[in-house]
Amino acid sequence: DADVTQTPRNRITKTGKRIMLECSQTKGHDRMYWYRQDPGLGLRLIYYSFDVKDINKGEISDGYSVSRQAQAKFSLSLESAIPNQTALYFCATSDRTSRETQYFGPGTRLLVL
Amino acid sequence: AQSVTQLGSHVSVSEGALVLLRCNYSSSVPPYLFWYVQYPNQGLQLLLKYTTGATLVKGINGFEAEFKKSETSFHLTKPSAHMSDAAEYFCAVSDTGRRALTFGSGTRLQVQP
Repeated sequence: DADVTQTPRNRITKTGKRIMLECSQTKGHDRMYWYRQDPGLGLRLIYYSFDVKDINKGEISDGYSVSRQAQAKFSLSLESAIPNQTALYFCATSDRTSRETQYFGPGTRLLVL
Repeated sequence: AQSVTQLGSHVSVSEGALVLLRCNYSSSVPPYLFWYVQYPNQGLQLLLKYTTGATLVKGINGFEAEFKKSETSFHLTKPSAHMSDAAEYFCAVSDTGRRALTFGSGTRLQVQP
């Protein structure tokens, strides 16, 4: 079984809808991250969390919110989806012993019409 | 702020030829540096990383990279390309507070038979 899972894997939604992307991990890591990937731009950090009570904005947090429900779960919400949020979204985990190495989920491909 | 520049969004080599993917970074503190690989429709997988110590780092699948502080570079090489190396490669640097990674825009490697 995968250590970092993301649901759904693919999602099509309409402008203005609220959607949630979910991430779960069985690695026992305390740190979790959300990135979005766009062609030619690499991965950009949306939010990150070092524990349940420590949530931080990344470089592109506008239009997104997150919830760390437990150490193993980190959800990303788009409050009112817009077409330029069409992207590939990745969740990642790490811990302080891994020297910043991050372990990635398989990604969620989101299309906003 | 940290930044990463990957020269060449697309690189094409023949099978058996040398692979050289370039990465330059900016950092105000000694960096942690990473190379990740992304195969089609998959998440990112760690190839190798530099934290401290030996500047020549060996990774999986025959890849290696050398940290050159004077050139602020961390280029990725492989002596002989294989068809299975076709993928997108990302260079990343940890941020000042060791809290998150900043990624380059990626280089897509194509291997010709």
